[in-house]
Amino acid sequence: DGGITQSPKYLFRKEGQNVTLSCEQNLNHDAMYWYRQDPGQGLRLIYYSQIVNDFQKGDIAEGYSVSREKKESFPLTVTSAQKNPTAFYLCASSIGLNEKLFFGSGTQLSVL
Amino acid sequence: QKEVEQNSGPLSVPEGAIASLNCTYSDRGSQSFFWYRQYSGKSPELIMSIYSNGDKEDGRFTAQLNKASQYVSLLIRDSQPSDSATYLCASSPPSSASKIIFGSGTRLSIRP
Repeated sequence: DGGITQSPKYLFRKEGQNVTLSCEQNLNHDAMYWYRQDPGQGLRLIYYSQIVNDFQKGDIAEGYSVSREKKESFPLTVTSAQKNPTAFYLCASSIGLNEKLFFGSGTQLSVL
Repeated sequence: QKEVEQNSGPLSVPEGAIASLNCTYSDRGSQSFFWYRQYSGKSPELIMSIYSNGDKEDGRFTAQLNKASQYVSLLIRDSQPSDSATYLCASSPPSSASKIIFGSGTRLSIRP
């Protein structure tokens, strides 16, 4: 089945620690995205990538980093510089920019 | 002014009635509009996309777009308890470099 796989489902971060969230898609989509969702809020864009080896900052990129070495994979690292990382993180993909998004099942990140 | 605005709700509708969800957008150049449904703790799933003025129907769902007034709405006919969720409106304004921008969502509750 085609889809987007995010892992882990739940993740806990200690202070000062970097953590990496995984996102893999087999939809052959060019564009991939990371969104953050806080309780009762909409989705805010962290980073996006149109093609392999290229990515752009979204609205709230500070404290996060990404890579796009393969078309299928777009991991997100939450660095220690992100002081308020507790949120629901959603990875998405689309055929191209401006196209409808397909979402993974999300990762809930919490701080210990 | 937010680019995409929704009433946060909650909107309470009796079972079997029509639920009407509204969304306004600020960038008159926006061309693509999407409605996503999100159950608590889950990822958003696409319900409807609409690109031209008028109505678009899919089963019990109808999306309506009025570019002159800059609003888009979603009607749910014969509302069911399973329709209880948060509904996210999204658009792709030219000012966002073709990134999709989400509203904060409207929480819908269908009461038996």
